[in-house]
Amino acid sequence: DGGITQSPKYLFRKEGQNVTLSCEQNLNHDAMYWYRQDPGQGLRLIYYSQIVNDFQKGDIAEGYSVSREKKESFPLTVTSAQKNPTAFYLCASTAGHYFNQPQHFGDGTRLSIL
Amino acid sequence: DAKTTQPPSMDCAEGRAANLPCNHSTISGNEYVYWYRQIHSQGPQYIIHGLKNNETNEMASLIITEDRKSSTLILPHATLRDTAVYYCIVRVAGGGGTSYGKLTFGQGTILTVHP
Repeated sequence: DGGITQSPKYLFRKEGQNVTLSCEQNLNHDAMYWYRQDPGQGLRLIYYSQIVNDFQKGDIAEGYSVSREKKESFPLTVTSAQKNPTAFYLCASTAGHYFNQPQHFGDGTRLSIL
Repeated sequence: DAKTTQPPSMDCAEGRAANLPCNHSTISGNEYVYWYRQIHSQGPQYIIHGLKNNETNEMASLIITEDRKSSTLILPHATLRDTAVYYCIVRVAGGGGTSYGKLTFGQGTILTVHP
């Protein structure tokens, strides 16, 4: 079945440590997104990528980094510069650049601080 | 993107239709109405979207008023598994810039389906 796979489901970070969240899709979608969701809150856009080897900062990119070396993969690194990383992280993708196409989401990674 | 207003919570009996309203009075002509839902600790699930015509798929129906200032998501026969937070979103089609394709989720409506 086609879909978006995020791993791991749960992740713990120590102080000063960088951690990488994986996002893989087999939907052949061009655009991919990373969102952060805090308890009781909506989604906030961290980074997005329209095509391979290109990505743009979203609304809250500070303390995060991404890469897009392959169409199907869009990993997110939470760096030590992100002082409040505890959140639910969601990856999404959509076909092409047409905004009437829905975004499809993975099941998320819950990141906590040790 | 236009803002939306939804009731914070609703209840529905299992097997009955669930009608979830959304107000988007400032919607522009090129903005679509999308509905997603999120079950606790899972990613949001796309339900349906539309521009100005009513839409139906295997999950739900979307009724958009003629002036497009409000819409209603209808789950025709609600089940316990439909208990979730439902989000109504309006988003412009096409374009670019700093809001390229992003979804802006508000607080949504917590739908609780009772046995």
